[in-house]
Amino acid sequence: GAGVSQTPSNKVTEKGKYVELRCDPISGHTALYWYRQSLGQGPEFLIYFQGTGAADDSGLPNDRFFAVRPEGSVSTLKIQRTERGDSAVYLCASSLKGLAVTSTDTQYFGPGTRLTVL
Amino acid sequence: AQSVTQPDIHITVSEGASLELRCNYSYGATPYLFWYVQSPGQGLQLLLKYFSGDTLVQGIKGFEAEFKRSQSSFNLRKPSVHWSDAAEYFCAVGTLGTGTASKLTFGTGTRLQVTL
Repeated sequence: GAGVSQTPSNKVTEKGKYVELRCDPISGHTALYWYRQSLGQGPEFLIYFQGTGAADDSGLPNDRFFAVRPEGSVSTLKIQRTERGDSAVYLCASSLKGLAVTSTDTQYFGPGTRLTVL
Repeated sequence: AQSVTQPDIHITVSEGASLELRCNYSYGATPYLFWYVQSPGQGLQLLLKYFSGDTLVQGIKGFEAEFKRSQSSFNLRKPSVHWSDAAEYFCAVGTLGTGTASKLTFGTGTRLQVTL
């Protein structure tokens, strides 16, 4: 596809449940990022992958959140024991190589997954 | 730590009027600066970016931004606003994180309303 895609577009779950959010980056992009955007706020960094490895997970709020990218392409953000405070739009972005590798690197964002925890 | 401040939460302009959205950043090294636009239900779209060189940057949809190191600012401008420009605008600074990691730090956004 031409851009970053994310599924599902909307996810409603109950408190305590487990959810998975999927991101398909732009083909050929080695860097992948997850951000979280709460209502009325700008996106906040969660985690960054360079290839298959998580190069920086300093933005993950706690150990209920983790993400994988096993083949260096598709990534899944997983949230265990969801809480109402997890409700937000989860954004995925990809870039060709990552800012540390290419100083002119640019991140392209997907449409996001809106997560609502009841 | 890096930070981005967008002092205007909400701005209203008339169609055809000029626009300037303010952005101030805090970062110890050379900043990589971006402006993104987000329409309702849409993802973030890159308007323009600054990495180095000419401090006046041209972007899509007739937008431009000027990097002023002395003021730590990267304000977005458009000479004549169109009703379709109504959206949320985010300024961001790109920084190097852990190891070879890189990430964007965003401001809280400015919501632009355009009156006809």
